[in-house]
Amino acid sequence: DGGITQSPKYLFRKEGQNVTLSCEQNLNHDAMYWYRQDPGQGLRLIYYSQIVNDFQKGDIAEGYSVSREKKESFPLTVTSAQKNPTAFYLCASTNTDTQYFGPGTRLTVL
Amino acid sequence: GEDVEQSLFLSVREGDSSVINCTYTDSSSTYLYWYKQEPGAGLQLLTYIFSNMDMKQDQRLTVLLNKKDKHLSLRIADTQTGDSAIYFCAESLIVRGSQGNLIFGKGTKLSVKP
Repeated sequence: DGGITQSPKYLFRKEGQNVTLSCEQNLNHDAMYWYRQDPGQGLRLIYYSQIVNDFQKGDIAEGYSVSREKKESFPLTVTSAQKNPTAFYLCASTNTDTQYFGPGTRLTVL
Repeated sequence: GEDVEQSLFLSVREGDSSVINCTYTDSSSTYLYWYKQEPGAGLQLLTYIFSNMDMKQDQRLTVLLNKKDKHLSLRIADTQTGDSAIYFCAESLIVRGSQGNLIFGKGTKLSVKP
């Protein structure tokens, strides 16, 4: 059953802690993306990776970091430098025509 | 730069048609997408259209593209309560023969009243 999985579904973090959000895909897609969604807002691009061992900053990369050691995996770390991390985080991957999304992780800072 | 605009809310009665509108900035070789998001879920791709097409129909969904006015619409025929969701319009550039990054509108919240 092909698709994109994100874990965990809900994540709670204390201020000052780093947390890592998982994104895995078995669609054999080369490109993967991380977006942030805030209430009433569209999606804003955090980081993207077109190929293994390479990634680029999106529009709001400050306070976030990523790695792309395997084609299937693109984890996102929300660092303590991110001042307002409470949001819904969406991972996506793409073939040449369309971008497919995972179910999302809701991160709440306590 | 690129920008995608859409109205924030739409309310219709069950059985009526819904029309969700979107405007985008002019880009060559662009795909335009409609995604659906239900509460607490990821985005589900509904349909997409290439910029050299005027219309695309898929069951209850009809996409119309007016390139002159840079206007895209999604029509849902016989709207059902299960269609209640947020609908996102998105634009993509073709970069070196492959899809580039997507630029999303803020989403239109469709409410379907019984």
